[in-house]
Amino acid sequence: AQSVTQPDIHITVSEGASLELRCNYSYGATPYLFWYVQSPGQGLQLLLKYFSGDTLVQGIKGFEAEFKRSQSSFNLRKPSVHWSDAAEYFCAVGALNTGGFKTIFGAGTRLFVKA
Amino acid sequence: GAVVSQHPSRVICKSGTSVKIECRSLDFQATTMFWYRQFPKKSLMLMATSNEGSKATYEQGVEKDKFLINHASLTLSTLTVTSAHPEDSSFYICSAREGYFGTSREAFFGQGTRLTVV
Repeated sequence: AQSVTQPDIHITVSEGASLELRCNYSYGATPYLFWYVQSPGQGLQLLLKYFSGDTLVQGIKGFEAEFKRSQSSFNLRKPSVHWSDAAEYFCAVGALNTGGFKTIFGAGTRLFVKA
Repeated sequence: GAVVSQHPSRVICKSGTSVKIECRSLDFQATTMFWYRQFPKKSLMLMATSNEGSKATYEQGVEKDKFLINHASLTLSTLTVTSAHPEDSSFYICSAREGYFGTSREAFFGQGTRLTVV
């Protein structure tokens, strides 16, 4: 079965600084990978996704992520963080299981942005 | 893009009563729907997977008699929390996927339902 690890429970960056959120996955085949953002009390918003092809994926709000098969990683990056980026970020992997297709989420990383 | 609508967004119910949450795919046929539960400051935990016209498959540790899932049509799935208790208070999120096994790579998420049992 697939699993997702987000090693950082929370991260604090200064506004304007660069950001990298880590994500490692475990799955036997090529996974479908996603990054979502969630503001407090809100639902999920898809930032970007990777299915195949170019391993550097561009998303909304200036985010990008790079799939590295050798490291089983799909880290999320942003060159300059804005205060409005403060939220919870979830990495997720979608894959076929015996019970069908499932999307499994990492534990999440809370991003704090300081002025 | 594909839109999934979840209703209600918030609900408060008395302990011992049942509450139903609806999940609708507005512009596609959702052959598979998923229900997640999110505890405060925690990740989303998959509760069950439902395929249209068949019984839901529950994840280990999820009480199927407590959380009744019905996926009677290609655009609607419902989650009923029966005999709700305060510990059932949580944020519930549904997602929907188009196409049968292997034909769709992405599930689309509703905006969630905040359930408070008093």
